[in-house]
Amino acid sequence: DQQVKQNSPSLSVQEGRISILNCDYTNSMFDYFLWYKKYPAEGPTFLISISSIKDKNEDGRFTVFLNKSAKHLSLHIVPSQPGDSAVYFCAASAKTSYDKVIFGPGTSLSVIP
Amino acid sequence: AAGVIQSPRHLIKEKRETATLKCYPIPRHDTVYWYQQGPGQDPQFLISFYEKMQSDKGSIPDRFSAQQFSDYHSELNMSSLELGDSALYFCASSRRNGAGELFFGEGSRLTVL
Repeated sequence: DQQVKQNSPSLSVQEGRISILNCDYTNSMFDYFLWYKKYPAEGPTFLISISSIKDKNEDGRFTVFLNKSAKHLSLHIVPSQPGDSAVYFCAASAKTSYDKVIFGPGTSLSVIP
Repeated sequence: AAGVIQSPRHLIKEKRETATLKCYPIPRHDTVYWYQQGPGQDPQFLISFYEKMQSDKGSIPDRFSAQQFSDYHSELNMSSLELGDSALYFCASSRRNGAGELFFGEGSRLTVL
């Protein structure tokens, strides 16, 4: 049973436009959410996170939005750059089990120059 | 800055053999995590350690065991290897701050023939 879902396996966006990556979760105990970026042959790299007490967190071109009632979060990248092409993983953890970070299946983003 | 070091980076074993993967966390990180990522799959949480004690357990087969040593490095031991164990094994480390921000190594690719 997948607790963190990313229903779009892939996404293509034109350079300069907005990329929106979506993530849904089923476990209502999750209270901390993270996005990781992964290039081929490398380990995932932390990108941005959000606590459940917030509904938005921004870091440069990256913004994460959290809708707790819908159990949905999204990552916005504006403007998208070719170097953003990678697999993006949504991840979540719960206060009761912070040492168990659950990952979604990932969305492969291609930014076309 | 020092990152998470994993060794070996590549390992080829036969069925029913044993394999050991090592992970050296970032200095002053007290928590280590192991993830398994099969071809085309999301990283699956295996096990985590905090201060040398197992802190959480995921979908780790009984044939696998792991431990964290006094210098905080961790080893994942896999016995009676099966073809399905072929995967990329990621180690990650973090500081126990309840945030879930993991720093990943580059992974160890295990191929079972």
